Amino acid sequence: KAGVTQTPRYLIKTRGQQVTLSCSPISGHRSVSWYQQTPGQGLQFLFEYFSETQRNKGNFPGRFSGRQFSNSRSEMNVSTLELGDSALYLCASSMSDRGIAGYTFGSGTRLTVV
Amino acid sequence: GESVGLHLPTLSVQEGDNSIINCAYSNSASDYFIWYKQESGKGPQFIIDIRSNMDKRQGQRVTVLLNKTVKHLSLQIAATQPGDSAVYFCAENKNYGGSQGNLIFGKGTKLSVKP
Repeated sequence: KAGVTQTPRYLIKTRGQQVTLSCSPISGHRSVSWYQQTPGQGLQFLFEYFSETQRNKGNFPGRFSGRQFSNSRSEMNVSTLELGDSALYLCASSMSDRGIAGYTFGSGTRLTVV
Repeated sequence: GESVGLHLPTLSVQEGDNSIINCAYSNSASDYFIWYKQESGKGPQFIIDIRSNMDKRQGQRVTVLLNKTVKHLSLQIAATQPGDSAVYFCAENKNYGGSQGNLIFGKGTKLSVKP
């Protein structure tokens, strides 16, 4: 079966712009989480969605937002981009009834802010 | 604050040897721990997990040990192979079975396997 699909794979944006990243979970998975990965801070939790509702949120500014659609696909948006937002953004999906082990990560979207 | 950290940033082993990757955590309330493997250009891949009511769990060629007294977690890889070369992360969660999304990851250890 298809894995977690993230698009686009690579993105270059200018400081001050906004960006939208997309995540298509594994078919049947209803929970989607987003993480930011940087060399300095490592993997940091952004937010988690389940059945179109944000269930959990990490310590990121309000410029970072997300949503989940009825088909479980999710998007995250970053407004007013800063250089420090350059990172690998990872999405993970789960059926949510199998605990953490059920989480499958996508290959990520590499965002570069210039 | 609460964090999960790693003792060593890099580890180099000979093919066929056993590897041990260590992790320290600071939050005694964490009740679930996971090891992930991340290869270049890919997302983290689940390796093995352990709950806080256990001190050891074995998988295929991997063993996770949990020492709650000193808040230490380790991943042992038997007969390390070149395909094991990757960055390994430990992660903790405080609410197993609940909101699973809030994982706290360690910084990662890069494992290099020499042929």
